[in-house]
Amino acid sequence: EAQVTQNPRYLITVTGKKLTVTCSQNMNHEYMSWYRQDPGLGLRQIYYSMNVEVTDKGDVPEGYKVSRKEKRNFPLILESPSPNQTSLYFCASGPSSSYNSPLHFGNGTRLTVT
Amino acid sequence: GESVGLHLPTLSVQEGDNSIINCAYSNSASDYFIWYKQESGKGPQFIIDIRSNMDKRQGQRVTVLLNKTVKHLSLQIAATQPGDSAVYFCAEMPTSGTYKYIFGTGTRLKVLA
Repeated sequence: EAQVTQNPRYLITVTGKKLTVTCSQNMNHEYMSWYRQDPGLGLRQIYYSMNVEVTDKGDVPEGYKVSRKEKRNFPLILESPSPNQTSLYFCASGPSSSYNSPLHFGNGTRLTVT
Repeated sequence: GESVGLHLPTLSVQEGDNSIINCAYSNSASDYFIWYKQESGKGPQFIIDIRSNMDKRQGQRVTVLLNKTVKHLSLQIAATQPGDSAVYFCAEMPTSGTYKYIFGTGTRLKVLA
């Protein structure tokens, strides 16, 4: 089954404790991206990657890092989480063959930073 | 399940009736639009898309209408079913070929039995 898999689904942590949220897709997509979703706001892009070893900032990159060492994986790293990073996070992927394509989303990671 | 938005506009429809969900998009240069469905505890799921050279596109029980003059997009769901209960939001792509989508905040659809 074609899918984007995120782990963990739920994460509660304390301020300053480094964490990683993993994302993997099995569709051989070149493009991958991370979003956060907060009440009253649309999805906001954190970072994206057009292909392996190519990453770039989205609209809200502060406090986050990413890497793209393999095509299928795109982990999101919070080096020193803060309470304002409490949010619902989604990973998405899409083919580069046609940029006017819908993104495929994972089921989300609910992060709480205390 | 996940709380997508505590204060989203809500549309309540009777099971079997048709639903119309609206979206005003922001950029007159946008040339590609998508409707997503997000159920509680799940990620956004693609429903239907439309390109700017079209006014209407139909899928299975769903129709998307695009009015470029007033920058308005609508999603029509025929014979609404309980399984249609979810948050629906639109996305526009202002710059072709970039995946730089602008996402709407969404409308919650509640189907009444």
